[in-house]
Amino acid sequence: EVLLAQSGSEVKKPGESLRISCRGSGYNFASYWIGWVRQTPGKGLELVGIIYPADSDTRYTASFQGQVTISADTSINTAFLQWNSLKASDTAMYYCVRPHRGANFPDTWGQGTLVTVSS
Amino acid sequence: EVVMTQSPATLSVSPGEGATLSCRANQTISSNLAWYQQTPGQAPRLLIYAASTRATGIPARFSGSGSGTEFTLTISSLQSEDFAVYYCQQYKHWPLAFGGGTKVEIK
Repeated sequence: EVLLAQSGSEVKKPGESLRISCRGSGYNFASYWIGWVRQTPGKGLELVGIIYPADSDTRYTASFQGQVTISADTSINTAFLQWNSLKASDTAMYYCVRPHRGANFPDTWGQGTLVTVSS
Repeated sequence: EVVMTQSPATLSVSPGEGATLSCRANQTISSNLAWYQQTPGQAPRLLIYAASTRATGIPARFSGSGSGTEFTLTISSLQSEDFAVYYCQQYKHWPLAFGGGTKVEIK
């Protein structure tokens, strides 16, 4: 069974750094891109960006470029989403996703990581 | 950037009745459209891809249609577990983009 297991909820203060993770299992991790999707009540579902674990090639949606960093470690089948300086507006649920074989739509979602940024 | 617009925002339906949800893209996306269902506290679940192909394990009461810029998700007879929020998503152009969702609630 294909699974994406995400790290637990986080509560941080503005200006702090954070890295959340997503571990893939049940498939060849290096063979599929991993994406991160942000969900907020105000803006709904938004793709943050994706990474191809085999060569660490990344693509970011324009509004997230420079705000976050996506990385991956194929030795532990894990992708990461990182912030160097959190803002209150980063408060959201973050999902990692894997695409359907040979396609560009997600068919597998992690359980989500709730990030709360508050002073 | 492709913008996906869903209507209505909320749909009130009685159990056993049918529901029709709409999704529009601001530019053509061929049939590169997926539908997801999200229940409270859960991640979205893939229902339909390629505009009309049901994902593995999805009941036949869910069907999708459309191409180009206009798409429809039809639920033929709503069961209790179908009351949820439904999102469309295009995957023709970068970045992947989701609609704002339609909440299907019990009437």
